[in-house]
Amino acid sequence: AQSVTQLDSQVPVFEEAPVELRCNYSSSVSVYLFWYVQYPNQGLQLLLKYLSGSTLVKGINGFEAEFNKSQTSFHLRKPSVHISDTAEYFCAVTTSYDKVIFGPGTSLSVIP
Amino acid sequence: DVKVTQSSRYLVKRTGEKVFLECVQDMDHENMFWYRQDPGLGLRLIYFSYDVKMKEKGDIPEGYSVSREKKERFSLILESASTNQTSMYLCASNRRSGGPVETQYFGPGTRLLVL
Repeated sequence: AQSVTQLDSQVPVFEEAPVELRCNYSSSVSVYLFWYVQYPNQGLQLLLKYLSGSTLVKGINGFEAEFNKSQTSFHLRKPSVHISDTAEYFCAVTTSYDKVIFGPGTSLSVIP
Repeated sequence: DVKVTQSSRYLVKRTGEKVFLECVQDMDHENMFWYRQDPGLGLRLIYFSYDVKMKEKGDIPEGYSVSREKKERFSLILESASTNQTSMYLCASNRRSGGPVETQYFGPGTRLLVL
């Protein structure tokens, strides 16, 4: 069965600094990978997803993620964060019909 | 604009009560899901449904049941609420046509406290 690990439960970062949120997965078959974001008091919304092709995926709000098959990773990056990026970020993986496995989440706090 | 709504944002119930959480989507999606969100555990799938009157157990179905009488509505039922069911409950939906890569659209969540 597949699983997802998010190594950092909390990441504080100063405004306009770069950030990387780490995600590793385990699976014996090909995967599809997602990053979702949950702003305070809201549901989750999709940031980006990797299906196939280019390993660098660009998403909304200036975020991007890189799929690394050899390291089984899908880290999320942003070169310069804003206060509005403060949120919970979830990495997710799926290999079967509509059953998505979510990681435990990383809480990003942007400090002014 | 796609929309998933949940009947309550906050709910307080007593142990042993029967609890209904309602979810409605306006996107004509075939699939609907109920998740439970707890700190440090992420989202865990309780039940999902791929069609009217169809349901499948997720990873943690014990103590829950679901109902899908209409395509747009998916209800989660706690037959006899217990304190360990205090949590955030999230509903989601997506299309079936694209298979596992279809984006899920989430409601705002219901924060349930069982006393």
